[in-house]
Amino acid sequence: NAGVTQTPKFRILKIGQSMTLQCTQDMNHNYMYWYRQDPGMGLKLIYYSVGAGITDKGEVPNGYNVSRSTTEDFPLRLELAAPSQTSVYFCASSYAGWNTFGSGTRLTVV
Amino acid sequence: GQQVMQIPQYQHVQEGEDFTTYCNSSTTLSNIQWYKQRPGGHPVFLIQLVKSGEVKKQKRLTFQFGEAKKNSSLHITATQTTDVGTYFCAGPETSGSRLTFGEGTQLTVNP
Repeated sequence: NAGVTQTPKFRILKIGQSMTLQCTQDMNHNYMYWYRQDPGMGLKLIYYSVGAGITDKGEVPNGYNVSRSTTEDFPLRLELAAPSQTSVYFCASSYAGWNTFGSGTRLTVV
Repeated sequence: GQQVMQIPQYQHVQEGEDFTTYCNSSTTLSNIQWYKQRPGGHPVFLIQLVKSGEVKKQKRLTFQFGEAKKNSSLHITATQTTDVGTYFCAGPETSGSRLTFGEGTQLTVNP
């Protein structure tokens, strides 16, 4: 099992560009999450999904969108990137309550 | 909404000293989870506590869940340089579908 796989690992975006952060899990977990972590800070929930076809907003959803067409995939879309979106993004999945995290995407918006 | 607070925010210790981080929730929790994040890494699940007053040990790490199920602690005995990282607690919201994470305690260990 690969667990939770995130791509890319690093990305530099220019202000106003868009991109999709990919996340896939092979554990057949129903729950999936996107968090962002600013330097030296905790985890803030952006969006989450309790199953295919269902998504919901977390604490900081503005500027992001998600979709969940399959159990395995939960991509995060950034539209019109802003410097405030410079952060490390973690995808996670869950079955029995605890989160299994991917290795993260380090995004810089310049 | 539910809040989970952790103290201290930072802790610097000499190798061999003990370390404790505390976690307090504004609401009663069905369980409390602990994660460790190494510098530059991703959070890794350590343990889940479910029962009131529960104590669990993993080698030099001791985890406690309070009697009221609103607080928890993580104690590391005789820290080593491999213990360096940020320790997060997290509790599920009432719906059970999402976690609220504390802000974490960043531990540095001087050799």
